[in-house]
Amino acid sequence: GENVGLHLPTLSVQEGDNSIINCAYSNSASDYFIWYKQESGKGPQFIIDIRSNMDKRQGQRVTVLLNKTVKHLSLQIAATQPGDSAVYFCADLRNSGNTPLVFGKGTRLSVIA
Amino acid sequence: ETGVTQSPTHLIKTRGQQVTLRCSSQSGHNTVSWYQQALGQGPQFIFQYYREEENGRGNFPPRFSGLQFPNYSSELNVNALELDDSALYLCASSLSRGSYNEQFFGPGTRLTVL
Repeated sequence: GENVGLHLPTLSVQEGDNSIINCAYSNSASDYFIWYKQESGKGPQFIIDIRSNMDKRQGQRVTVLLNKTVKHLSLQIAATQPGDSAVYFCADLRNSGNTPLVFGKGTRLSVIA
Repeated sequence: ETGVTQSPTHLIKTRGQQVTLRCSSQSGHNTVSWYQQALGQGPQFIFQYYREEENGRGNFPPRFSGLQFPNYSSELNVNALELDDSALYLCASSLSRGSYNEQFFGPGTRLTVL
């Protein structure tokens, strides 16, 4: 079935470097995406979202890029800090079907001090 | 402001037993969604409750059921537990149904089925 998935399960970056976390989706009807951060022992936390009529959206130290042609989105974290260490999920909000929000598998980001 | 809380934190059950998990929504929120997160996976939508009524259900069997109370807190009940039910169960509250971009998650209940 159609799903939202991630290219890499783990990512290690040096503190201060930029991080890029990728996500591929297959549902061409997807029109809204959310990135979540999940720290150990906690529930997912909303980071940033993007609608399909946009190709870029910026937040504080984070940028999400959406490429509808290849069904790919990415989360860029600038100047990665130890507090950014977590599992990151992309999620796809759907208007059809009985599952409104579909999460990908997740990428674990480890920041090396 | 009180965040989303869940109880218990951890729970161990055996196959065939029944379990009830509880969630208190954030102040002012009338919608609660429940998710199952297996180890190493993303959360999977179980169902949502809005003003005490079920408002959408994912691909989970009927032995997964829920309730929402007048104060908008919620329960997730699972009957006839199976080994594959072992997971982190998350609830999330939001101001209204459909506000998935504005839902706040609790820390989850870790259920282990032996």
